[in-house]
Amino acid sequence: KAGVTQTPRYLIKTRGQQVTLSCSPISGHRSVSWYQQTPGQGLQFLFEYFSETQRNKGNFPGRFSGRQFSNSRSEMNVSTLELGDSALYLCASRRAGGSGETQYFGPGTRLLVL
Amino acid sequence: AQSVTQLGSHVSVSEGALVLLRCNYSSSVPPYLFWYVQYPNQGLQLLLKYTSAATLVKGINGFEAEFKKSETSFHLTKPSAHMSDAAEYFCAVSDPGSGNTGKLIFGQGTTLQVKP
Repeated sequence: KAGVTQTPRYLIKTRGQQVTLSCSPISGHRSVSWYQQTPGQGLQFLFEYFSETQRNKGNFPGRFSGRQFSNSRSEMNVSTLELGDSALYLCASRRAGGSGETQYFGPGTRLLVL
Repeated sequence: AQSVTQLGSHVSVSEGALVLLRCNYSSSVPPYLFWYVQYPNQGLQLLLKYTSAATLVKGINGFEAEFKKSETSFHLTKPSAHMSDAAEYFCAVSDPGSGNTGKLIFGQGTTLQVKP
C-alpha cells in the first residue's frame, strides 16, 4: 500500500507570495492533518480535515487555510508569506476511527521563504 | 490543556548501551500516547503507542515504553543501542475525550546520538 505523499518536496518563495502544498493520504484514509515543524517551535498542529470538513484547527493565523477533496486529498495554502513561515510542513493521514488511531506521516514539504 | 515534556533535548549513548528517552505528560485523564522517530529529511514514523490496553508497550526496532499513570510518564527504552537508532524522537499525546480529533500534541523532541 502506498504511503502518504506530499508535493512538492521543496519550495522557495519570497515574502508576500502565497503557496499551496498538496497531500495524498493512504488509500482508504479519510482524515488528513497538517503540522508545521520549525527548530524553534517544534511540531505544531495546523488543522485536520475529515470528509471535506475542517474538524479541528490549531492556533495559527487566518493566512493558513486548507481544504479536502472528495478523494480525501488535501491542500493547504499560506497567503502573504512571512519569513517565519519557513518550515517543514507535514501531513498525516488516518482512517479516522478515533483519537488513538495511528497517524501516518508523509515526508513533508520544506518551505523556504526569502 | 494537555502538554508533553521530553527531558533532555540531546541524549548520547554508546553502541550497545541502554537507551532511555524520557517523556512526561500533563493531562486530567489518561491520554493516548505515542512515540515517533524522525530520520533526517524524512517524515515521522510511529515506534509505538499506548491506548489504555497493556501498560508495557512493545514497538518496532526493539523499542518499548511503559505507561506509568502515577508518574504521568511514558519513557522510551531500548536495551542495546544500534548506530541506526541515531535520529530525533518525539513523544506525542492525544486526548481520548476530544472525540475523534486527530490533533497530536508533541514534545520538543530528543536527538539521540549513538557513538561507536
